[in-house]
Amino acid sequence: DIQMTQSPSSLSASVGDRITITCRASQTISAYLNWYQQKPGKAPKLLIYAASSLQSGVPSRFSGSGSGTDFTLTISSLQPEDFATYYCQQSYSLYTFGQGTKLEIK
Amino acid sequence: EVQLVQSGPEVKKPGESLKISCKASGYSFTTFWIGWVRQVPGKGLEWMGIIYPGDSDARYNPYFQGQVTISVDRSLSTAYLQWNSLRASDTGIYYCARRQVLSGYDPFDYWGQGALVTVSS
Repeated sequence: DIQMTQSPSSLSASVGDRITITCRASQTISAYLNWYQQKPGKAPKLLIYAASSLQSGVPSRFSGSGSGTDFTLTISSLQPEDFATYYCQQSYSLYTFGQGTKLEIK
Repeated sequence: EVQLVQSGPEVKKPGESLKISCKASGYSFTTFWIGWVRQVPGKGLEWMGIIYPGDSDARYNPYFQGQVTISVDRSLSTAYLQWNSLRASDTGIYYCARRQVLSGYDPFDYWGQGALVTVSS
């Protein structure tokens, strides 16, 4: 099984900050890495697929990079609506989610 | 408009059976895989399994294999997640989600609203 490890588990930041979340796979997954945003009481929302492709309708302040085993999600300038929990997911071999990163307002 | 509408909350006792549903609309049901994802309250996302409605080919997370059954009814454009004997540890929110096909990287692009299942004696 492929394990996905996100860091940090939680993060405090301010509106306007640039933040980065890291996701590491236990084996190479090429670019089969997706990122989701989940707000309390809501279903997850796809942000980034194929490591760096922006899902339609997602603001351009979100970006993804990486390949192989190491990946990042960057939000260039945090907006109030971005405070949520973020999950990475590998789709190289079936699916595995990372444990999540909770982004909170400082 | 693509929509996945799930059945409502359930409260069950340990040992009881349950089948929850996910009705798809706005696209060709038989040509997109549908997956199921569990979220224990306050915890992360766990992928449970996935099914191709075109031929009912199903794949399971080994952790959930044998514990649940995923099925479809093509005439109703509906996917199901079923338990034969619930445990307290099955308590959680269950999401269905459609697997995108365009990119080849298979993310879940549309999600149901989630169904809360509570198992308690």
